[in-house]
Amino acid sequence: KAGVTQTPRYLIKTRGQQVTLSCSPISGHRSVSWYQQTPGQGLQFLFEYFSETQRNKGNFPGRFSGRQFSNSRSEMNVSTLELGDSALYLCASSEGKAGELFFGEGSRLTVL
Amino acid sequence: AQSVAQPEDQVNVAEGNPLTVKCTYSVSGNPYLFWYVQYPNRGLQFLLKYITGDNLVKGSYGFEAEFNKSQTSFHLKKPSALVSDSALYFCAVRSYGNNRLAFGKGNQVVVIP
Repeated sequence: KAGVTQTPRYLIKTRGQQVTLSCSPISGHRSVSWYQQTPGQGLQFLFEYFSETQRNKGNFPGRFSGRQFSNSRSEMNVSTLELGDSALYLCASSEGKAGELFFGEGSRLTVL
Repeated sequence: AQSVAQPEDQVNVAEGNPLTVKCTYSVSGNPYLFWYVQYPNRGLQFLLKYITGDNLVKGSYGFEAEFNKSQTSFHLKKPSALVSDSALYFCAVRSYGNNRLAFGKGNQVVVIP
């Protein structure tokens, strides 16, 4: 089986722009979660989607949003980018409620 | 709320010596515990998990972890460290029915040849 695929791997944006990141989960996995990783804050949970519904949400401002499609692929969007949004954004998929999360390689966002 | 503490920033160990990375957790209900490893500019790779059953869990690449409920700990161990084990290690916890993982800050492991 192919692993979790995230695109793009690297991107550079300027303040005020918006960005969309994509995640394709492992085939058959219906849960997709997103995490932000920064040197200062570590790994922080953004949100989780299951069967196109947001099931859980972390403590991030409304500029951070996501969605999941019927094929389980997910996107996250960050609007009005700030310098502090520079981070590695990791997507993870899971079969259900008791399994481990499998992570993609991440999308590294740099905001200038 | 669920949380994880990894008390050491960096763990240095000589190649061939035992490696231990410490983790303590806090969660409501029964814990689901995980260890992940991250290499530079890469995502997280799953090493092992504890859901229920034996307190000693064996995982990938010769790693194992011991669940201790009374001490709320889940320390990662490897009997003989390799230089290639040098990486960032994360402990994580979640509760049943919740895919939201709480991660520790991570431990940088440096294996010295």
